[in-house]
Amino acid sequence: DAMVIQNPRYQVTQFGKPVTLSCSQTLNHNVMYWYQQKSSQAPKLLFHYYDKDFNNEADTPDNFQSRRPNTSFCFLDIRSPGLGDAAMYLCATSLENSPLHFGNGTRLTVT
Amino acid sequence: AQSVTQLGSHVSVSEGALVLLRCNYSSSVPPYLFWYVQYPNQGLQLLLKYTTGATLVKGINGFEAEFKKSETSFHLTKPSAHMSDAAEYFCAVRRPGGYQKVTFGTGTKLQVIP
Repeated sequence: DAMVIQNPRYQVTQFGKPVTLSCSQTLNHNVMYWYQQKSSQAPKLLFHYYDKDFNNEADTPDNFQSRRPNTSFCFLDIRSPGLGDAAMYLCATSLENSPLHFGNGTRLTVT
Repeated sequence: AQSVTQLGSHVSVSEGALVLLRCNYSSSVPPYLFWYVQYPNQGLQLLLKYTTGATLVKGINGFEAEFKKSETSFHLTKPSAHMSDAAEYFCAVRRPGGYQKVTFGTGTKLQVIP
């Protein structure tokens, strides 16, 4: 089945130690998104790629970066994780204005 | 600007009872509306969507929602709750036409009591 796959499902990192989360898709969707979701809150959009064009949300900290080397893959880099960055990180895709398709997320713990 | 408001962060129903989760939206143009469900430690899954046409839309798992422009509402219902419906539900809105940002509500956690 076509899908959005996130690896790893659970990631533990140390305070200040860079970490990379990955997302791949087999849907051939042109838009890919990264959301941060903290406990019992709505997903918060960090940034998205529309094709190769990167779009950062105004309130996304500089600590968060992203790469999209090709249509299928997208990475979220957290350069210096703080305790406040512990959250579920959700990758999603869409084709233009179609509904979002989400991966199962990566739960990040910062120790 | 667009927004959605979900009334009630927690809703409890008995198994077999009606499920009603409320969502009101604000949008300067006729919106596209969505309901997503999230099970623990999983991503969001699309339940149903309204774009244009019929205002009563049916989704997966027996859920449906009705777009009421006069009330700016898009409430989610299911006639009979199952234990497996226990999850968090998010209402979302986006403008139509090309790529547009999706805005999520704060979510409603549904508890089903046996």
